[in-house]
Amino acid sequence: DTAVSQTPKYLVTQMGNDKSIKCEQNLGHDTMYWYKQDSKKFLKIMFSYNNKELIINETVPNRFSPKSPDKAHLNLHINSLELGDSAVYFCASSQGTFRGGNTIYFGEGSWLTVV
Amino acid sequence: AQRVTQPEKLLSVFKGAPVELKCNYSYSGSPELFWYVQYSRQRLQLLLRHISRESIKGFTADLNKGETSFHLKKPFAQEEDSAMYYCALSRFFTGGGNKLTFGTGTQLKVEL
Repeated sequence: DTAVSQTPKYLVTQMGNDKSIKCEQNLGHDTMYWYKQDSKKFLKIMFSYNNKELIINETVPNRFSPKSPDKAHLNLHINSLELGDSAVYFCASSQGTFRGGNTIYFGEGSWLTVV
Repeated sequence: AQRVTQPEKLLSVFKGAPVELKCNYSYSGSPELFWYVQYSRQRLQLLLRHISRESIKGFTADLNKGETSFHLKKPFAQEEDSAMYYCALSRFFTGGGNKLTFGTGTQLKVEL
């Protein structure tokens, strides 16, 4: 059973297009995240949602819009794709309800290439 | 503000040699620290968290608040340890969830 699954795994698209990456977790967690790993392997949080509510929004361009239809899903929609958006996008989840020892579980990543 | 520093971008050791991956942090509160490992083109996997004080795959890490460090150590490196290692600092949000701030990562290469 895959705990955090995201689709598609690979996505090649042209500049200016709009694309979505979907994420689902079956761990019963309350909190979900999107992280971005750039070409230099730097990892940075983009968003987090807790029970469908936005908690963290890390100065991401508003071309990126997360949507959480329920607490098991957090999708990422990107408008007007730019070359600089090429990266690996990781979805993740955690229990999120208490401080201390909150392990964050990551999906396998979605490799986005904008040409 | 929270910050994590991993000074080595690449660490190359021979099989059987000791390994130490350095991690320093700055954080005004009580830190919660983790080590994550990423094998080639795979997901990030939790390796260690300082709260549990466990040893996974022979790796250990001790939180040193005086030196603000959380170095990852293994006495004898194995070929399968070759991977990217990230140190991360967690901050809890009262609205729910945690924000992980990652270091820049250290690529460990174990040579035969």
